[in-house]
Amino acid sequence: EVQLVQSGAEVKKPGESLKISCKGSGYSFINYWIGWVRQMPGKGLEWMGIIYPGDSDTRYSPSFQGQVTISADKSISTAYLQWSSLKASDTAIYYCARHRLHYTSGWFDAFDIWGQGTMVTVSS
Amino acid sequence: QSALTQPPSVSGSPGQSVTISCTGTSSDVGSYNRVSWYQQPPGTAPKLMIYEVSNRPSGVPDRFSGSKSGNTASLTISGLQAEDEADYYCSSYTSSSTFYVVFGGGTKLTVL
Repeated sequence: EVQLVQSGAEVKKPGESLKISCKGSGYSFINYWIGWVRQMPGKGLEWMGIIYPGDSDTRYSPSFQGQVTISADKSISTAYLQWSSLKASDTAIYYCARHRLHYTSGWFDAFDIWGQGTMVTVSS
Repeated sequence: QSALTQPPSVSGSPGQSVTISCTGTSSDVGSYNRVSWYQQPPGTAPKLMIYEVSNRPSGVPDRFSGSKSGNTASLTISGLQAEDEADYYCSSYTSSSTFYVVFGGGTKLTVL
């Protein structure tokens, strides 16, 4: 079964750092881009960025460029989303998702497989 | 970053049809056929329903259909069922400032 399994919920204080993970299984991890999507409480989906695990080529939405870092370790089929200094406004559910097409076809299409989401709460 | 524009809510009775619009610009919906639609029931992860404007992934009922005219894409759900009640989001590739993907604000579908 093709799936993405994300790390568990986190509760952090403002200013702390955090790295959450997304592990792929059931398919060749380096054949597909992996993206991250934010959903703030009661709000809509926001496309944050996407990474190709084969060579770590990464693209960011302008809204998230410089705010987060997306990375991947192809040896363990895992993508990451990290913050160096969290803010209360980072409180949200974060989803990873697999791009629908083989990596040679680009990164700008739909996400066909989604992780279960990681809830991040930032509060003093 | 400007989201694509969707109506906040739509509703319909079982068996009826509803259409959800997704309005963008000539930098996104109007120029690219990379429009997708996702369904998100409460408390769950999104699910892909339509890709490349009008294509259904395997397993998605043919009651769901997509189309595009100019800068506006649409998702039509025919033969509404109670299980269709959810939030729906469109997305599109965009080249407005740089190249990335943008989502719509979401539409809550209520089945009366």
